Amino acid sequence: QVQLVESGGGVVQPGRSLRLSCEASGFTFNNFGMHWVRQAPGKGLEWVAAMWYEGGKNHYTDSVRGRFTISRDSSKNMLYLKMNSLRAEDTAVYYCARDLSPHPYYFYGMDVWGQGTSVTVSS
Amino acid sequence: QSVLTQPPSVSAAPGQKVTISCSGNSSNIGSNYVSWYQQLPGTAPKLLIYENNKRPSGIPDRVSGSKSGTSATLGITGLQTGDEADYYCGTWDRSLNAEVFGGGTKLTVL
Repeated sequence: QVQLVESGGGVVQPGRSLRLSCEASGFTFNNFGMHWVRQAPGKGLEWVAAMWYEGGKNHYTDSVRGRFTISRDSSKNMLYLKMNSLRAEDTAVYYCARDLSPHPYYFYGMDVWGQGTSVTVSS
Repeated sequence: QSVLTQPPSVSAAPGQKVTISCSGNSSNIGSNYVSWYQQLPGTAPKLLIYENNKRPSGIPDRVSGSKSGTSATLGITGLQTGDEADYYCGTWDRSLNAEVFGGGTKLTVL
């Protein structure tokens, strides 16, 4: 079945780095745009980043641009989020999600979500 | 402060109908499709409505979506206690080049 499984979360000190992974299965990974969305404790959803193809234009929310990098390896059906210079305000559950747009480079919404991986930034 | 504006909470009795509004501008709702998501406590969000008014398979027809100008609305009829959840609207903002969400609406079925 169509599935996304995140991993790589944990507790990390401020200023350190972490890489999240998302393994996709049950669909042709290369045919879909992908997102990272996060949710801080007790807060709402916050979109983090999105991409279609490796080498194409990546999109980021302002608060992570320059610190986070979204990437994918279509040969492994994997999506990644490399997070550098982590801050306390990056503490959240991070979800990867599939975009439902049939048109490359367009984003229509998220039809498949992973279960999330928790990131805590604390000294 | 979210780019899209939703009421923080709504409530209604079992069997009744509720609507949740989502307000944006010409760069987001006014020019792109709106999606709605349901998040039950402790779980990942789930797509309820896409392309303004379409339901994924498995979503009952008592759930509906609409869009007019720079606003969108989610409707749920025949409310059940299992509908108690947080609901979020979302769309792409072409000025920000970013996906934007509403702040979320907590639905209570009294």
